[in-house]
Amino acid sequence: SAVISQKPSRDICQRGTSLTIQCQVDSQVTMMFWYRQQPGQSLTLIATANQGSEATYESGFVIDKFPISRPNLTFSTLTVSNMSPEDSSIYLCSVDRGRLEAFFGQGTRLTVV
Amino acid sequence: RKEVEQDPGPFNVPEGATVAFNCTYSNSASQSFFWYRQDCRKEPKLLMSVYSSGNEDGRFTAQLNRASQYISLLIRDSKLSDSATYLCVVLPSGAGSYQLTFGKGTKLSVIP
Repeated sequence: SAVISQKPSRDICQRGTSLTIQCQVDSQVTMMFWYRQQPGQSLTLIATANQGSEATYESGFVIDKFPISRPNLTFSTLTVSNMSPEDSSIYLCSVDRGRLEAFFGQGTRLTVV
Repeated sequence: RKEVEQDPGPFNVPEGATVAFNCTYSNSASQSFFWYRQDCRKEPKLLMSVYSSGNEDGRFTAQLNRASQYISLLIRDSKLSDSATYLCVVLPSGAGSYQLTFGKGTKLSVIP
């Protein structure tokens, strides 16, 4: 298994501001993933973060809105920029160990008011 | 057609009951299948993989029907601690875990 520490666990933010979510893994991993889980919806992949290269974004997600950093093999951040109430969601980071099992951080519950 | 479809429930069952969930998937090239469990306000965690021949893990049995493109999860002798949302997850052949496709989940409440 993997130990993933994600923070903050929750936040309430004003619209127009930005929030950076951090994800720390207990061992080195090649790829880290960021997901969004909106109320009543399935987990949706936002982007894949590789160390040393720009993140790869899924359709519907752009770097200006969700900039990602991956400074080393154990850490990544996701920023939700210029937030609106529609960004209220749970954001989760994830890694795998090469066996197709996804391990998730505890999630960040974001409310934009 | 949505890629992975599940009945959202909720399924409210008494302790000791047997309950079954189904999930259908649209991509016939999907080769790996999983059930994840997500407790309220927690992250999803792998419950079990689903093999072509079906597999059992204690009170939990998972089955795959490729012809009809659905997978199922059977829980016997339900416990209060089984209350959670169960996510059906599929993966296309040769894909990495970043291509996992999640269903919206089926909510189970086991009642005393």
